[in-house]
Amino acid sequence: AQSVTQLGSHVSVSEGALVLLRCNYSSSVPPYLFWYVQYPNQGLQLLLKYTTGATLVKGINGFEAEFKKSETSFHLTKPSAHMSDAAEYFCAVTLSGNTPLVFGKGTRLSVIA
Amino acid sequence: DTEVTQTPKHLVMGMTNKKSLKCEQHMGHRAMYWYKQKAKKPPELMFVYSYEKLSINESVPSRFSPECPNSSLLNLHLHALQPEDSALYLCASTEGGYTGELFFGEGSRLTVL
Repeated sequence: AQSVTQLGSHVSVSEGALVLLRCNYSSSVPPYLFWYVQYPNQGLQLLLKYTTGATLVKGINGFEAEFKKSETSFHLTKPSAHMSDAAEYFCAVTLSGNTPLVFGKGTRLSVIA
Repeated sequence: DTEVTQTPKHLVMGMTNKKSLKCEQHMGHRAMYWYKQKAKKPPELMFVYSYEKLSINESVPSRFSPECPNSSLLNLHLHALQPEDSALYLCASTEGGYTGELFFGEGSRLTVL
């Protein structure tokens, strides 16, 4: 079975501060990992994904994530938060690409001026 | 053109009504999806169409009936819904397979009275 756990349903940071959103996965086979963002009243948009190869993945809007197999983690980071980053963030996993994505419960990011 | 277009954006219906949600993409994607998203929850997969054939039905009640008239269109027919079916219904598409980016529409917000 595959699953993904996002630690913290709500994270609040100051503008300009580091953003760290945590995601741990459970998979018995190599996972494909994704981060999606959802702004209010919109659909989801892909931020970045890891399939194979380089474990540090860069995405849109200055976000990046590192796949750490030993820690079964895929945490999302951004060096400096911007007000426009306030949104819901979902980590998702698929088993070797053969099954539909399973989404984590989401983390709501608030950015304080 | 990298858009998935959903209509209507908002729908209010009674429990005895019949209505349909529509989704269209012109990216040449071969897989299309319906997700249901309740407030403050992740999207839940309902149906997957691959090459215009229903490939996944996640045990969705028969009051929801999907249809894929062609590779660009996806409909969700609604009949005899319950108030608990009120949610945001998201359509998405991928080129094919589960490792690619899901392109989401903005969703149709359904309220069942």
